[in-house]
Amino acid sequence: QKEVEQDPGPLSVPEGAIVSLNCTYSNSAFQYFMWYRQYSRKGPELLMYTYSSGNKEDGRFTAQVDKSSKYISLFIRDSQPSDSATYLCAMGGDYGQNFVFGPGTRLSVLP
Amino acid sequence: ETGVTQTPRHLVMGMTNKKSLKCEQHLGHNAMYWYKQSAKKPLELMFVYNFKEQTENNSVPSRFSPECPNSSHLFLHLHTLQPEDSALYLCASSQDVGEWYNEQFFGPGTRLTVL
Repeated sequence: QKEVEQDPGPLSVPEGAIVSLNCTYSNSAFQYFMWYRQYSRKGPELLMYTYSSGNKEDGRFTAQVDKSSKYISLFIRDSQPSDSATYLCAMGGDYGQNFVFGPGTRLSVLP
Repeated sequence: ETGVTQTPRHLVMGMTNKKSLKCEQHLGHNAMYWYKQSAKKPLELMFVYNFKEQTENNSVPSRFSPECPNSSHLFLHLHTLQPEDSALYLCASSQDVGEWYNEQFFGPGTRLTVL
């Protein structure tokens, strides 16, 4: 079983749609969870970060963590063409553990 | 220059060539990382340096040789690579490598093609 699993897509949605991106993981020691956005020909940039379980909202973006199910989600409301990118989930444990990344989901928001 | 910069942005090399990738961070960070990103695969951590000392080598073949002369610069020396080494090589930096979460900031990457 892979440590972090993520549907690679591609996922195409019309502008204005609600987008749901998800990752599952196997390591119960993970405590912090990140979503990165990577535009074509660019490096990943941190979009959201959460610690332990719960929800976090930032504008049109909401991150959810369900540690009991080992499942994290990123929701994008009112999606825009500028949201078209690859979204990578990443996670890590305490005590300086390095991050483990998912393979990324490629999202296209069509005008 | 701001953030994390990488040169060259694109590199094509033969299997017998020797080349180097360069990374520079302008964030005052102490930790630097090399990652390999292949299509539809997770980012693979290759090396970690903290205060110029290598703290992690993730079973990377010896044809990849990192060098960290100071906390702002990181190099990846390449020699006798294989076609399967073709990928995007990303450099990242963070404040340090400690017990708590440290956000990593990525450069734009070097797209490497090995013929």
